[in-house]
Amino acid sequence: AQSVSQHNHHVILSEAASLELGCNYSYGGTVNLFWYVQYPGQHLQLLLKYFSGDPLVKGIKGFEAEFIKSKFSFNLRKPSVQWSDTAEYFCAVNNQRKLIWGLGTSLAVNP
Amino acid sequence: NAGVTQTPKFRILKIGQSMTLQCTQDMNHNYMYWYRQDPGMGLKLIYYSVGAGITDKGEVPNGYNVSRSTTEDFPLRLELAAPSQTSVYFCASNPDRANTEAFFGQGTRLTVV
Repeated sequence: AQSVSQHNHHVILSEAASLELGCNYSYGGTVNLFWYVQYPGQHLQLLLKYFSGDPLVKGIKGFEAEFIKSKFSFNLRKPSVQWSDTAEYFCAVNNQRKLIWGLGTSLAVNP
Repeated sequence: NAGVTQTPKFRILKIGQSMTLQCTQDMNHNYMYWYRQDPGMGLKLIYYSVGAGITDKGEVPNGYNVSRSTTEDFPLRLELAAPSQTSVYFCASNPDRANTEAFFGQGTRLTVV
């Protein structure tokens, strides 16, 4: 069965620090990959997605992610985080007609 | 454009009571989903639907029921509420295929006491 693994459950950073959140999936076929963000008290919103083409995808608010097929990874990055990036981040992979979700990474950015 | 609308936002139920969580979308999406979100557990799929009249179980369907009589509406029914159903529930929809962006409702925070 497909699964998605997010390596970091809780991350604490200071403003201006760089961020990388790991995401690995298990599936041998063609995949579509997503990162969603959930700000405190809000619903999930799409941060970025990869379907095909350039494996480096750029999303909103300065986030980017790199798809490395050989490593089954889709890590999320941001060069310099802000306090407003405090949120929960979810990686997801499509599976036929539904998405498979990682457990999420809680990011706290200290001002 | 309202997107995905869930009601109510908050609810407290007593054990054994029943209720329906409402979800409606105005984007003409065929796919709709119900998830529950518990702290540290990510999102668990309860039920999903690929179109009006078609529903299927997700990972954690026990204790819930759904119906999909129209494209717009996908209500989730709890028949006999239990404390284990205390959670935040999210409804989501997307267009024809699962590899497109999913749009989420604001969530319903349910507490069963």
